[in-house]
Amino acid sequence: EAQVTQNPRYLITVTGKKLTVTCSQNMNHEYMSWYRQDPGLGLRQIYYSMNVEVTDKGDVPEGYKVSRKEKRNFPLILESPSPNQTSLYFCASSLGTLSSYEQYFGPGTRLTVT
Amino acid sequence: KQEVTQIPAALSVPEGENLVLNCSFTDSAIYNLQWFRQDPGKGLTSLLLIQSSQREQTSGRLNASLDKSSGRSTLYIAASQPGDSATYLCAVEGAQKLVFGQGTRLTINP
Repeated sequence: EAQVTQNPRYLITVTGKKLTVTCSQNMNHEYMSWYRQDPGLGLRQIYYSMNVEVTDKGDVPEGYKVSRKEKRNFPLILESPSPNQTSLYFCASSLGTLSSYEQYFGPGTRLTVT
Repeated sequence: KQEVTQIPAALSVPEGENLVLNCSFTDSAIYNLQWFRQDPGKGLTSLLLIQSSQREQTSGRLNASLDKSSGRSTLYIAASQPGDSATYLCAVEGAQKLVFGQGTRLTINP
């Protein structure tokens, strides 16, 4: 089954404790991205990757890191989480961008930073 | 900067009605527009994708239209069912990302 998976689905952590949210897709997609969803602000892009070893900032990259060492995986790293990073996070992938490719979203990771 | 607006923010209708959800965007230089469905606590499911060169797409009871020149899209749902209750998001693609609207929360009453 074609899908985007994220782990963990739920995470409660404390300020400053490094964490990684994994994202994996099995569709051989080149493009992957991370979004966060907050009430009243909607979905905003954090980082994206056009292909292996190619990443770039989205609209709200502060406090986050990403890496793309393999085509299928695109982890989101919070080196020192803060309470303002409490949010619902989504990973997405598609065959490409700037064209007509449908975006596939993961189930989301609900992160709470205390 | 692209801005996407969805009106209304919430809509409640009786089962069986046909309804229209609206989406407007400020910059007509888009590559495509997608409509998504989001169920509470769940991820986003793509419903329809309209390429910038197209004017509409249909899937079952759903029909989406796109008017780039006026910066508008509509999602038409025919013969609504309680299972259609969800939040509907539109998103436009440009510059390596999707820009989302805030969504319309739809409730279909049996």
